Amino acid sequence: TQLLEQSPQFLSIQEGENLTVYCNSSSVFSSLQWYRQEPGEGPVLLVTVVTGGEVKKLKRLTFQFGDARKDSSLHITAAQPGDTGLYLCAGAQAGGAQKLVFGQGTRLTINP
Amino acid sequence: KAGVTQTPRYLIKTRGQQVTLSCSPISGHRSVSWYQQTPGQGLQFLFEYFSETQRNKGNFPGRFSGRQFSNSRSEMNVSTLELGDSALYLCASSRAGARTEAFFGQGTRLTVV
Repeated sequence: TQLLEQSPQFLSIQEGENLTVYCNSSSVFSSLQWYRQEPGEGPVLLVTVVTGGEVKKLKRLTFQFGDARKDSSLHITAAQPGDTGLYLCAGAQAGGAQKLVFGQGTRLTINP
Repeated sequence: KAGVTQTPRYLIKTRGQQVTLSCSPISGHRSVSWYQQTPGQGLQFLFEYFSETQRNKGNFPGRFSGRQFSNSRSEMNVSTLELGDSALYLCASSRAGARTEAFFGQGTRLTVV
């Protein structure tokens, strides 16, 4: 069974601080996706990383896929209250079927 | 371009009843996957359909079933509802293949009383 360990589970920081969320597995994934979810809504896709070592930037968010495609990180620079939410990483299996393995999520709170 | 549409948004059912949830994927997307989200277990994969065929199934009892129609719309059914089936049920659509991105609907909040 493929598992994704996401850490930390909860993070509360002040506006303007930097933070990093980690997503680790002993399994190799063909791709890894990061989502953000608001209460009572579905996850919204932020980014997909496919190649080992790949780095993608989305404004103040930087996503990295590990060289071995087993882990990923999300770094937020100068966090803002609007970044508050549940961040989820999800790994896709190799092969044709669309099945995502999700981490438990990181509940991020940015305090003004 | 319309996103993934799930109906209904909220549902309250009694133990022992059955329920059917509906999902309309993004136009052109042929893969539809279903997930269950609970506070304790997080997001767990239920099953995936592609071109009306179930391609993959998660570790859920047979009370959970689904189907996909020729227009790619999908339904999932839960029979003999239990209190533990209370959850947010999410549908995701994608074009095809494991490397393509999955886009989620807003979900159906099912409460079993």
